[in-house]
Amino acid sequence: KAGVTQTPRYLIKTRGQQVTLSCSPISGHRSVSWYQQTPGQGLQFLFEYFSETQRNKGNFPGRFSGRQFSNSRSEMNVSTLELGDSALYLCASSFQVMDTEAFFGQGTRLTVV
Amino acid sequence: GQNIDQPTEMTATEGAIVQINCTYQTSGFNGLFWYQQHAGEAPTFLSYNVLDGLEEKGRFSSFLSRSKGYSYLLLKELQMKDSASYLCAVRDRGTTNKLIFGTGTLLAVQP
Repeated sequence: KAGVTQTPRYLIKTRGQQVTLSCSPISGHRSVSWYQQTPGQGLQFLFEYFSETQRNKGNFPGRFSGRQFSNSRSEMNVSTLELGDSALYLCASSFQVMDTEAFFGQGTRLTVV
Repeated sequence: GQNIDQPTEMTATEGAIVQINCTYQTSGFNGLFWYQQHAGEAPTFLSYNVLDGLEEKGRFSSFLSRSKGYSYLLLKELQMKDSASYLCAVRDRGTTNKLIFGTGTLLAVQP
């Protein structure tokens, strides 16, 4: 079966712009989590969604937001981009909450110039 | 606070055994995960421990001691393709899939 799909794979934006990233989980999975990965900080948790509800939010400013649709696809949005937002954004898909596995997508590489 | 520590880098020889340690101090614990990430690729799941002891899966084994806040990943019969970053992650307290990651251990396997 198809894995986790993230689009786009690469993105270049300028400071002050906004961006929307998409994640389609594995078919049947209802839990989607988002992470930001940078060389210095590693993977840091952004949000977790299950059945269209945000269950958890990490310590990121309000410029970072997300949502999940009825088909479990999820989007995250970053407004007023800053240079420090340049990172690899990964989403992880699980069948249920408290699952023993999470499957990651290839990520979206965002570069802010 | 939440703190997960792993060595930054390790080097090992093809065919050998390597142990990657992870210590954690977190406000809650609902399981520990190990992931492998090759450069430019997605992390891939290796193992999950929630009870104390050793979990074996082929060439990979993972150990957990909850009382010591300690885990290790053991890789046997190392192959060149095992060169990658190895990420230790703790699932946060509560009913959640939220993972708290260490910064990862970059393993270089040499011939």
